[in-house]
Amino acid sequence: EVQLVQSGAEVKKPGESLKISCEASGYGFTNYWIGWVRRVPGKGLEWMGIIYPDDFDTNYNPSFQGQVTISADKSISTAYLQWSSLKASDTANYYCARLLKQYMETGVTYFFDYWGQGTLVTVSS
Amino acid sequence: DIQMTQSPSSVSASVGDRVTITCRASQGTSSWLAWLQQKPGKAPKLLIYATSSLQSGVPSRFSGSGSGTDFTLTISSLQPEDFATYYCQQANSFPPVITFGQGTRLEIK
Repeated sequence: EVQLVQSGAEVKKPGESLKISCEASGYGFTNYWIGWVRRVPGKGLEWMGIIYPDDFDTNYNPSFQGQVTISADKSISTAYLQWSSLKASDTANYYCARLLKQYMETGVTYFFDYWGQGTLVTVSS
Repeated sequence: DIQMTQSPSSVSASVGDRVTITCRASQGTSSWLAWLQQKPGKAPKLLIYATSSLQSGVPSRFSGSGSGTDFTLTISSLQPEDFATYYCQQANSFPPVITFGQGTRLEIK
């Protein structure tokens, strides 16, 4: 059974650093992209970036490039999302999700098929 | 970048109603689309992938269709557990660039 289990809720002050995790099980961790998605309360889903754990290739949404770092540790099948200096506007629920690649007759499509339970990050002075 | 616009942004309906949600791409290169459901306090759940394929375990009252720039999610007969927010999502290039629609909130009338 595929599972993505995220680390627990965090309360931080502006300017602090943070690293949250997503531990995968039930599938070959290095064979699939894994991504991070933000949901600010009252807003929609925003794609932040993805990582391919086999070679650590990453692709970021330009809106989040330079604001966060996505990494992975193959030895423990875990992906990470990291901030070096949090802002109040980073307050949100963060989800990790596995990105499945499906070959079609005329191309390829990607979609998130399994999701972590979410990590609530609250940044407040 | 491709933008995905969902309509309506919210809809009120009753149990047993047929509901249709539309997702329009800003460019005609969105060959396939996925649909997700999110309930308050829960993670999103995949309903439909590759435009019309039903994810395992999802009830058959959910269906997807479309091509080019216009895609549709249809719920044939609303059930109480279907009241949630629905998102379309596309990513059809390499490296993957994922775009979500802004969401459609389905409320009880």
